[in-house]
Amino acid sequence: DTEVTQTPKHLVMGMTNKKSLKCEQHMGHRAMYWYKQKAKKPPELMFVYSYEKLSINESVPSRFSPECPNSSLLNLHLHALQPEDSALYLCASSQGLVLAGGAYEQYFGPGTRLTVT
Amino acid sequence: GQQVMQIPQYQHVQEGEDFTTYCNSSTTLSNIQWYKQRPGGHPVFLIQLVKSGEVKKQKRLTFQFGEAKKNSSLHITATQTTDVGTYFCAGLTTDSWGKFQFGAGTQVVVTP
Repeated sequence: DTEVTQTPKHLVMGMTNKKSLKCEQHMGHRAMYWYKQKAKKPPELMFVYSYEKLSINESVPSRFSPECPNSSLLNLHLHALQPEDSALYLCASSQGLVLAGGAYEQYFGPGTRLTVT
Repeated sequence: GQQVMQIPQYQHVQEGEDFTTYCNSSTTLSNIQWYKQRPGGHPVFLIQLVKSGEVKKQKRLTFQFGEAKKNSSLHITATQTTDVGTYFCAGLTTDSWGKFQFGAGTQVVVTP
C-alpha cells in the first residue's frame, strides 16, 4: 500500500467554525508533512513531523494546529480561518527525514480543497 | 534564505516536440527532487538527483544536476499528451532536512 489518504476531499467553513483535516498512511513512514497549495503555485511547507514529534513549523499562524496522534495519522485543526486561507491542503509522508546521500521521496495525498467563507 | 527559481513557468508544446525546464538555486543543494502534478491531482515523485553532474533517464525524460549542485534540468523528448501537467523541482540543503524548497513549477500544455 503506497497510498496517503486525506479526508474530507472538500470542506467549506465559515470564519468562526472549527474543523479538522485528517491524513493517514500505512507505509510505516516516520515523517509526515502538511503543505498548503494555492492555485497555480507550488506547495508551501507548513509543518513537518518526525517520529510523531513536531520537527518543523514554518511560522504558520496559530489558527492552524497540527497533531500527530500516532505514526499513521496526522491531523490539522482549523479555527477562526480567514478567506485567504482557502487553498488545497496536501499531506505527504516519507520514510524519514534524513537519508545518507540524499532524502526520501515524499508521497502526497490527494489533498483537501478548503474554502473559507 | 534559500530560493529555487524555475523557468519557464508555462510551456506550450506541440506533440512530438522536445522541451526543457530549468531550476536554479541561490545556494548549493544537497539534492534535488522532481515531481509532476497532473491537472486536479497531487504531486507525484519522479526522481532524485544527489551527485554533482548526475544524469538520470526515465524513458523520454532526462534529468540533470549541475556540477556546482546549484541547478538542474528536466528534458522531455517527443512530448506526448500524457506529459501534460506541472513539473516542480524541489531542492534541499544539508541544514534544512525536511524543508524542501519548491520551484514555481513549469505548467506544460501539449497540443496534438
